[in-house]
Amino acid sequence: GDSVTQTEGPVTLSEGTSLTVNCSYETKQYPTLFWYVQYPGEGPQLLFKVPKANEKGSNRGFEATYNKEATSFHLQKASVQESDSAVYYCALRARFGAGTKLSVKP
Amino acid sequence: AQTIHQWPVAEIKAVGSPLSLGCTIKGKSSPNLYWYWQATGGTLQQLFYSITVGQVESVVQLNLSASRPKDDQFILSTEKLLLSHSGFYLCAWSQGNTGQLYFGEGSKLTVL
Repeated sequence: GDSVTQTEGPVTLSEGTSLTVNCSYETKQYPTLFWYVQYPGEGPQLLFKVPKANEKGSNRGFEATYNKEATSFHLQKASVQESDSAVYYCALRARFGAGTKLSVKP
Repeated sequence: AQTIHQWPVAEIKAVGSPLSLGCTIKGKSSPNLYWYWQATGGTLQQLFYSITVGQVESVVQLNLSASRPKDDQFILSTEKLLLSHSGFYLCAWSQGNTGQLYFGEGSKLTVL
């Protein structure tokens, strides 16, 4: 069956530093890949869908490229802000990774 | 526009008591429906999914059951709650198997 392996948190960064959250997957079907963000007391919401292999998905300064050979789609942001503090999940269809809690200090 | 509503927002229940959580989706025909459970500070655990009325597949049961009595309704229930059932329950829908998931507001369950 499908599986998703994600860098587990928590991750604490200072504003203006870069973020990378690793995520890899296994599936026998064509992979449909997503990144979601969850704020306290709410359900996850879509950050963006990762399109075809070697293409970049992005939103709000976050981006990810689906590497077909490595079966990975790591989340990156060049300069995090305090408002980015949240839990980030990668997902393969409806199967979610473990989640990474990001805390950004001003 | 599609909306998803979960009820109740929060419940405090005794060990051994029954539970029923509900989810309604409006504005979408024949959605895929999902139940997830999240322990406090924990990850999202998929429990059940349904692609059509009357048909529910179990991913992880956790002594819970699910039903889809109508196209737009998904119910999660158990006859006897355990302490380990405490957490945040999330309902979600998607268009087919490859669409993004849209989550409800969640139901917080505390079992004492």
